[in-house]
Amino acid sequence: GENVEQHPSTLSVQEGDSAVIKCTYSDSASNYFPWYKQELGKRPQLIIDIRSNVGEKKDQRIAVTLNKTAKHFSLHITETQPEDSAVYFCAASIGSNDYKLSFGAGTTVTVRA
Amino acid sequence: ETGVTQTPRHLVMGMTNKKSLKCEQHLGHNAMYWYKQSAKKPLELMFVYNFKEQTENNSVPSRFSPECPNSSHLFLHLHTLQPEDSALYLCASSPPTDTQYFGPGTRLTVL
Repeated sequence: GENVEQHPSTLSVQEGDSAVIKCTYSDSASNYFPWYKQELGKRPQLIIDIRSNVGEKKDQRIAVTLNKTAKHFSLHITETQPEDSAVYFCAASIGSNDYKLSFGAGTTVTVRA
Repeated sequence: ETGVTQTPRHLVMGMTNKKSLKCEQHLGHNAMYWYKQSAKKPLELMFVYNFKEQTENNSVPSRFSPECPNSSHLFLHLHTLQPEDSALYLCASSPPTDTQYFGPGTRLTVL
């Protein structure tokens, strides 16, 4: 089955700096890679996703890059703000079935004011 | 947000109790999921229903029993749970080949 590894497990950055989270996956058939943000006591919410036919996608301060050959993808947050503090999860589709996901263990991001 | 709702939000039960978790979505999605979220661990996919048919059961112990009477409702029936089953149980739904939307979760404590 799909195995997703996520690093680092914790990340502390100064406000205004960038944050990068990396994930690797094992199933070469995976074709959908969403990122979720979970604030304390709240539900995971999709912040950005990418499909395997695209190498990079950007939405304001958030960007995701995908390297299919190396089977890794990354989340980049620029100009971090205190409200970016949360747990971030990456996920990869299990095979080519978009509706089944395997999740990484999460990265706790703390933005220091 | 009210797209995917879950009840109850908190549940404390003894090991001999029987309880049920409920999930409801009125987003017109056809797929519904149960996940277990434990501290410092990846979200664990438990069950998947697609058009009311169960398509995934990730070796979940039989003390967890899902039920999907229609595409808008999903239940997780709990029976003789163990303390290690204490976790946040998240429901999610999705349209075909698209992203999943999560409910707020039920915080379950097994004494």
